[in-house]
Amino acid sequence: AQTVTQSQPEMSVQEAETVTLSCTYDTSENNYYLFWYKQPPSRQMILVIRQEAYKQQNATENRFSVNFQKAAKSFSLKISDSQLGDTAMYFCAFMKPRYSSASKIIFGSGTRLSIRP
Amino acid sequence: NAGVTQTPKFQVLKTGQSMTLQCAQDMNHEYMSWYRQDPGMGLRLIHYSVGAGITDQGEVPNGYNVSRSTTEDFPLRLLSAAPSQTSVYFCASSLRYSGRAGNTEAFFGQGTRLTVV
Repeated sequence: AQTVTQSQPEMSVQEAETVTLSCTYDTSENNYYLFWYKQPPSRQMILVIRQEAYKQQNATENRFSVNFQKAAKSFSLKISDSQLGDTAMYFCAFMKPRYSSASKIIFGSGTRLSIRP
Repeated sequence: NAGVTQTPKFQVLKTGQSMTLQCAQDMNHEYMSWYRQDPGMGLRLIHYSVGAGITDQGEVPNGYNVSRSTTEDFPLRLLSAAPSQTSVYFCASSLRYSGRAGNTEAFFGQGTRLTVV
């Protein structure tokens, strides 16, 4: 069974700083997807970034980028030039490709990120 | 642009009461799922469905029932509420098959905060 581990329950950084959130996962699959979801105080779950395991290039979305280390089963999220609006709970998640059968999204326990003014 | 609509947003139940959390999506997604979110545990899958008439259990199904009579709706029933079911509940929908990365995104409702006293 797949597992996702986020070892940092809480983090706090100053506005404009760069912060890295850690995530490790365990799987025997070779092809899969990894995600970072953001949950602000509004409770809404928002997809921040996704990575396909068969792509070696790290995904980037504006100020958000990942460091995907497949052999180490590590998937960290880097937020550059952090903003007050980045304050949220961040969840790392794993999913096998969904071809002929249902594939579930497995979530980590989350990291609560606070951006200080 | 409704996306995934969950009702109610908040609910207080007495132990032993039953209720139904409603979830509806207008994106013609085959795959729908229910998660519960508890502090320090991330999101855990309760039940999921890959299409009308097809449901299956997730990680924590006990005490919950689901049915899927239409593509759009996926209600979650609490048969006899217990304090251990106090949680935030999320409904999510996505395409059933994720052959392309762009098809992998799960869309979430805004959550239901349920308190069982």
